[in-house]
Amino acid sequence: QVQLVESGGGVVQSGGSLRLSCAASGFTFSGLGMHWVRQAPGKGLEWVAFIRFDGSHKFYADSVKGRFTISRDNSKNTLFLEMNSLRPEDTAVYYCAKDPFGDCWGQGALVTVSS
Amino acid sequence: DIVMTQSPATLSVSPGERGTLSCRASQSVSSNLAWYQHKPGQAPRLLIYGASTRATGIPARFSGSGSGTEFTLTISSLQSEDFAVYYCQHYNNWPPRWTFGQGTKVEMK
Repeated sequence: QVQLVESGGGVVQSGGSLRLSCAASGFTFSGLGMHWVRQAPGKGLEWVAFIRFDGSHKFYADSVKGRFTISRDNSKNTLFLEMNSLRPEDTAVYYCAKDPFGDCWGQGALVTVSS
Repeated sequence: DIVMTQSPATLSVSPGERGTLSCRASQSVSSNLAWYQHKPGQAPRLLIYGASTRATGIPARFSGSGSGTEFTLTISSLQSEDFAVYYCQHYNNWPPRWTFGQGTKVEMK
């Protein structure tokens, strides 16, 4: 069945870095764009980033531009989110999801940034 | 930037009653509108896309309507498992950005 599984979450100090992974299965990963979305504690859903199916185009929310990098390895059916210069306001559950509208999401990875 | 505004913030409904949730876009989004159900500790679940098309496996009691700037999600007869937070989402074709409303919490009256 179609499945997305995030990993790599954890606790990091402000200014630190973390890399999230999202393993895809059950569909042709290399043929679809992918998104990262996050939910801060007590808040709603916030779109973070998108990568085109071939990795040729990437887009970011203004709140993470210049600090986060989205990438993918189609040979390993895996999506990544490299997060640098982390801030306490980046604390959230991070989800990966399929384009064009999220008919499949992962269960989420919790990232906690301590000050 | 497009802003999505949902109302009400909280909807108190008894099981078996009808629930109506609204979503307004700050400018026309055509029919590029989806609805999600989100429960604590779970992944968001796609209910509706294209403003009115039910996603695979979604019960018929969920229906979506609208186009342009005004959209509605209707739950015809609320079941216990329907109490959750619901989000509308605009998905832009290119560049492919997603914009979410702030959510409507559907709670038991």
